[in-house]
Order: sequence, then structure tokens, then C-alpha cells
Amino acid sequence: DQQVKQNSPSLSVQEGRISILNCDYTNSMFDYFLWYKKYPAEGPTFLISISSIKDKNEDGRFTVFLNKSAKHLSLHIVPSQPGDSAVYFCAASARTTDSWGKLQFGAGTQVVVTP
Amino acid sequence: DVKVTQSSRYLVKRTGEKVFLECVQDMDHENMFWYRQDPGLGLRLIYFSYDVKMKEKGDIPEGYSVSREKKERFSLILESASTNQTSMYLCASQGNNEQFFGPGTRLTVL
Repeated sequence: DQQVKQNSPSLSVQEGRISILNCDYTNSMFDYFLWYKKYPAEGPTFLISISSIKDKNEDGRFTVFLNKSAKHLSLHIVPSQPGDSAVYFCAASARTTDSWGKLQFGAGTQVVVTP
Repeated sequence: DVKVTQSSRYLVKRTGEKVFLECVQDMDHENMFWYRQDPGLGLRLIYFSYDVKMKEKGDIPEGYSVSREKKERFSLILESASTNQTSMYLCASQGNNEQFFGPGTRLTVL
């Protein structure tokens, strides 16, 4: 039973426009959320994170929004660039529990940025 | 920068073979993880370790075992490889909250 869900397997966006990736979770104990980016034949790389005490975190072109009541988070990339074409994974952890920092990952969203 | 290395980028093995996947990290992290990535399923946790000689089962441990004899090294072992273990295997090392991943090993079992 997946506790972190990314319901859109793919997203196509024009260069310069905004990319919005969505992620839903079911476990109310999750208190830390991360986004990873993965190119083919490479390991995922950390992109941005947010703690449950915040509702927004911004880092350059990347902004993550958290809506705890809806158990929903989103990643905004603006403006989108061709180098952003990759698979994006949402992940969550319950740091206050005895979970040893384990992350639960979503299935990923393939983003394609077109010229 | 954290560096996580994995012993092989690509491996081809036959059904029934014993397979060793090695992972080394250089940041003195205590927590290390093994995942497999399959299309449509994301990353699924196989095993993790929070200290030398300590190991815990993840979500899909069946058919796998692990070894952590030194802090920097975490090995994944397929005792008898099967075709359904064909996958991308990713090792990670954890700092405070983030996990840092190796480049992955694409394993094909024929």
C-alpha cells in the first residue's frame, strides 16, 4: 500500500513555462518531505525539501508547497528549462517516529521540457 | 560533496547465481540503504542499516540479504538470483535528513 502517491506518470511542458508536479500522502505521521530528480542511468539527486512546520520553501527556480490538511504537496519549477527533463520523485519521512530516517517514495513523474 | 559509489554500473547474471552488489560512502554516515527502482513503482526499500553489523528489513526484503562489516560499506546479496530481480539497484547514505544516492547498478538476470 503506497503511502506516497504521484498520480501523474508524465508531464510535458514548454520551455519557459511553469512545471507543477503533485504528490499526495496518506500517513499523517510524515513530517518531512523531499523532492529528488533522476536522470537516466544516474542515481537520484536531492532537489528541495520542506518540514511540516512550513507551508512553502523556495530555492531558486524550485518551490515546494505543503498543504497538511489535504496531505498534498507540489513542486513548482519556473521557468522550466530543457535540463529539467528528468524523473522527479516525491519522498516523505516520519522523523519523530522510530523510523530511522526511512523515506517512502512515490512512483515518480517523468517531466519533458520541449523547446 | 558526499560520494556514494557502487561497484558496478551494469551486471548480467544467470538464474541461480549468487550476486554481490557493493556500496561505499565517504561521509562517515551511520545510515545506509538499498533500494530497487522499477517502472511505475518508484523506489522500494529492500534493507537498511543504521550501524555496523546492524540491519533492518525494508519493505521488500525477500530474496535478499545484506552485510555491513565496516561503516563505509554496505553490501546487498542475492543468494540465488531470479529473473524477477532484474532491476535498477540504488544504494544511499543518509546525512541529517537527506539521502545521497550512488549511480545505481542495472542488474539483468537471465
